[in-house]
Amino acid sequence: AQSVSQHNHHVILSEAASLELGCNYSYGGTVNLFWYVQYPGQHLQLLLKYFSGDPLVKGIKGFEAEFIKSKFSFNLRKPSVQWSDTAEYFCAVNAANSGYALNFGKGTSLLVTP
Amino acid sequence: DTEVTQTPKHLVMGMTNKKSLKCEQHMGHRAMYWYKQKAKKPPELMFVYSYEKLSINESVPSRFSPECPNSSLLNLHLHALQPEDSALYLCASSQVLDSSYEQYFGPGTRLTVT
Repeated sequence: AQSVSQHNHHVILSEAASLELGCNYSYGGTVNLFWYVQYPGQHLQLLLKYFSGDPLVKGIKGFEAEFIKSKFSFNLRKPSVQWSDTAEYFCAVNAANSGYALNFGKGTSLLVTP
Repeated sequence: DTEVTQTPKHLVMGMTNKKSLKCEQHMGHRAMYWYKQKAKKPPELMFVYSYEKLSINESVPSRFSPECPNSSLLNLHLHALQPEDSALYLCASSQVLDSSYEQYFGPGTRLTVT
């Protein structure tokens, strides 16, 4: 069955700490991979996406993610978090060349303390 | 303009009421989606429209009735809802119904059924 797993449900970091949020997927075939962020009271925004090419993708606000095909992973990273990064982060996957529905992970709630 | 707008922002309705949620985009997108998001959970796909035609109904109860009157508008008609239908209802759009195209999300309508 197709699934998306996010390992950390709640993460608390101090400002300037480095961030890595895990995402693993179970899909047959080629996939498209996304990270979305939902700031408190705001709508879902796309942070970054991977379709093909360079497995290290850079997104907005200093975020990046690395697609490791052999590990079925697409982990999100940021070298130095800010208080304003406090939000819910969702990894999402859909099947390339077929399918359209985004399959979301359960989300990781990040709290950055001053 | 990369915005998806949704009205109303908040809605409280009784179980015997009939109400409608509205979604609008002016990006020329031909695929539009309804998602349901419960608190602290990921969005779950409800319906997909492609070129104003219903493409996918993810086994949603008939008390939810979608409508796409034109390429810019998507409505969700609500009737005889249950308290467990209380959630954030998200609208999204993409250029076409293809997994390679990013979905843009609206801010959602927070629905409370009393």
